[in-house]
Amino acid sequence: LAKTTQPISMDSYEGQEVNITCSHNNIATNDYITWYQQFPSQGPRFIIQGYKTKVTNEVASLFIPADRKSSTLSLPRVSLSDTAVYYCLVGDKGTGRRALTFGSGTRLQVQP
Amino acid sequence: EADIYQTPRYLVIGTGKKITLECSQTMGHDKMYWYQQDPGMELHLIHYSYGVNSTEKGDLSSESTVSRIRTEHFPLTLESARPSHTSQYLCASSPQPGWGQETQYFGPGTRLLVL
Repeated sequence: LAKTTQPISMDSYEGQEVNITCSHNNIATNDYITWYQQFPSQGPRFIIQGYKTKVTNEVASLFIPADRKSSTLSLPRVSLSDTAVYYCLVGDKGTGRRALTFGSGTRLQVQP
Repeated sequence: EADIYQTPRYLVIGTGKKITLECSQTMGHDKMYWYQQDPGMELHLIHYSYGVNSTEKGDLSSESTVSRIRTEHFPLTLESARPSHTSQYLCASSPQPGWGQETQYFGPGTRLLVL
């Protein structure tokens, strides 16, 4: 089963840029990398998705190196409302059952 | 954005009872999923479906079963609940055909407590 690795927690201050990296050595060839945000007592919410290089939308950027074994979510100018758990999701290159591996999640705490 | 609903939101039940967790989506998505998440822990895929009459087990073994008779409905059933089933169950759907792009829309979850 693929293992994804993320930092357990990060602290930041309002207005700073935050970068969260996820390692996924066994990503399936055709699979994208997707990042989600989760608040307590809620389901995860889609943030951004990419296959390689760089993707940017109105809330975040996603950087993926050529080997695709890691990805970095970049949140520009975070605010208190960005305090949440962030997960990366990749497909597993294993055979048999379909595996979707969420990372262990990174708890981001934004301070005033 | 997809509208996806789960009921009940909270359920406290005794050991041995049969329970069904409901999940419905209104966007006509073919792919649907069930995840299990313990407090403060990561999500684990327990079931997924490509479409009507298609169900598969995920990478986390689960004693639950699912059915997909209608596109919009993907209920999860536990025939005999046990305390080890206590967890949060999250349902999701995705508009993308096939696999690879997993833009999933999640419901609010059902918190299950088995006494």
